[in-house]
Amino acid sequence: GAVVSQHPSWVICKSGTSVKIECRSLDFQATTMFWYRQFPKQSLMLMATSNEGSKATYEQGVEKDKFLINHASLTLSTLTVTSAHPEDSSFYICSAGPSWTGTNYGYTFGSGTRLTVV
Amino acid sequence: AQSVTQLGSHVSVSEGALVLLRCNYSSSVPPYLFWYVQYPNQGLQLLLKYTSAATLVKGINGFEAEFKKSETSFHLTKPSAHMSDAAEYFCAVSDQNGGSQGNLIFGKGTKLSVKP
Repeated sequence: GAVVSQHPSWVICKSGTSVKIECRSLDFQATTMFWYRQFPKQSLMLMATSNEGSKATYEQGVEKDKFLINHASLTLSTLTVTSAHPEDSSFYICSAGPSWTGTNYGYTFGSGTRLTVV
Repeated sequence: AQSVTQLGSHVSVSEGALVLLRCNYSSSVPPYLFWYVQYPNQGLQLLLKYTSAATLVKGINGFEAEFKKSETSFHLTKPSAHMSDAAEYFCAVSDQNGGSQGNLIFGKGTKLSVKP
């Protein structure tokens, strides 16, 4: 089945530094990638939508200059948290899709990245 | 706009008892609905989904859900809870409005606890 590999699974960084999170579709082409953020004990909130070869679309309230998204190929999308601050500490998850495979409709999620900014 | 409401942020059942997690949706178009489970510090695992085929959907680990249009509901059930079912459960609807990109809209989640 479709797999999205997300790395790193966890990262600790110092305040003011940047962190890059990668999501790779291993056996399919992901035209669209969604990036979600999940704060502790909360639900997943969509941050942005990236489409291969074009600029990402950010949800209201998400700083596009802080959360840089690149989707330069059909198999790789990256999220860079620039000048990270402790309030950026969260769980970040990517999702490819939606897509139809035969009669099967669905989304493929990465395993998530736990970011801790100290 | 589409939305999902999960009633009960925390549900506690005894091992072997029925599990019922409630999900109601709002959608102006026929919805695509999903249930995911999340274990601590892990990603999401798809339990089951409804994409306009059979209204009773069977998923993994003995879970099932029934799509009821008249009630705008998609409740998740399991006849007999197991300790390993303790986790956070999310109901989600696929955003299909206005030619959108089709991202998932998640409910706030229900934490399921299973008592021995």
